[in-house]
Amino acid sequence: DVKVTQSSRYLVKRTGEKVFLECVQDMDHENMFWYRQDPGLGLRLIYFSYDVKMKEKGDIPEGYSVSREKKERFSLILESASTNQTSMYLCASSPLGPETTFGSGTRLTVV
Amino acid sequence: SQQGEEDPQALSIQEGENATMNCSYKTSINNLQWYRQNSGRGLVHLILIRSNEREKPSGRLRVTLDTSKKSSSLLITASRAADTASYFCATDDNYGQNFVFGPGTRLSVLP
Repeated sequence: DVKVTQSSRYLVKRTGEKVFLECVQDMDHENMFWYRQDPGLGLRLIYFSYDVKMKEKGDIPEGYSVSREKKERFSLILESASTNQTSMYLCASSPLGPETTFGSGTRLTVV
Repeated sequence: SQQGEEDPQALSIQEGENATMNCSYKTSINNLQWYRQNSGRGLVHLILIRSNEREKPSGRLRVTLDTSKKSSSLLITASRAADTASYFCATDDNYGQNFVFGPGTRLSVLP
């Protein structure tokens, strides 16, 4: 029973394209997160959101933006994709408590 | 499919006690990482241990890895209330891709 759904498992985009990564959770969680994951670097937080229309920068927000118009949906936007944004992107959600549920990830390749 | 599975799912201890959490995985790995997530916050990377390492300390933390048993343990010594969080292990496959997370261990350190 999947709780956090990322719209694409694999994605290939060209340099300069605008890219949307979508994440939807069905658990009515307040918090949602976007991470990128690169081999040997671990997980790095890009942006997170505590509430609808609210966003905060994580550790590596440059080159990204986010949108949270509805509680269940948190979108990550690459305004102009670059090759150094080739990575695995993970979405996660959590309630006000400590439990977290992760999506299965989107592997983005920018060519 | 998730590869990392933490055990126990929840753990409550008194301040000053040691806490041990275990992680099991199914396939061969390159690296195994432990993360902490405080309530409502993003993940914090704790330790990365490579498949050819058996033990790695970091302050009050110590991670062990047994590739023959496909398991890892995270030991927190002299626990503090601030250690209250969820702890996740993440593993990658032999191609350095697809870090996957287990459901986490919720640690509560009582004052």
